[in-house]
Amino acid sequence: GQSLEQPSEVTAVEGAIVQINCTYQTSGFYGLSWYQQHDGGAPTFLSYNALDGLEETGRFSSFLSRSDSYGYLLLQELQMKDSASYFCAVRIGNFNKFYFGSGTKLNVKP
Amino acid sequence: GAGVSQSPSNKVTEKGKDVELRCDPISGHTALYWYRQSLGQGLEFLIYFQGNSAPDKSGLPSDRFSAERTGGSVSTLTIQRTQQEDSAVYLCASSLGPSSYEQYFGPGTRLTVT
Repeated sequence: GQSLEQPSEVTAVEGAIVQINCTYQTSGFYGLSWYQQHDGGAPTFLSYNALDGLEETGRFSSFLSRSDSYGYLLLQELQMKDSASYFCAVRIGNFNKFYFGSGTKLNVKP
Repeated sequence: GAGVSQSPSNKVTEKGKDVELRCDPISGHTALYWYRQSLGQGLEFLIYFQGNSAPDKSGLPSDRFSAERTGGSVSTLTIQRTQQEDSAVYLCASSLGPSSYEQYFGPGTRLTVT
């Protein structure tokens, strides 16, 4: 089976940097995705890592270590609008099948 | 362009009734997914369609759940004899193809079983 672990909730102040970790246990691992979901909204894609290392997209970066079965999402220069839930998801095999974690609720405070 | 659309946006039904949820994927997207999200929880994979291939139904929780995709486009998720534990938001997503990792989600259908 598949299991993903991420913290349930994280709080940070505006302008700060926050890291949301994701550890996984799975067979047939192919890559790790991150999605953002605002309350009442649909998940939106943030990033995808298939290889070890850091991928940077503006204020957001995502990291993967396949040997450690671990990844993280790094959010810099936090803004109030970043308050949302963040989900990691593992891609299984090359079949485009994804399993999602239970999500991390990020609270950004002024 | 148009995103993924789902209908209805909200559905309230009585326990034991059947419901149908509809998803219109982005035009040209060959992959389509259904997920279920209970309040405050993650997304639970239900079913995956890729082109004309047989769907991956491994996530369907019981034989009361079924889905079809007509003409490689619109999909319908059917829940028969609904139970209260079926209450959740049902999300549909599409992606460009079998090697595309970015999924585009619809707004979801909130199902409440009374």
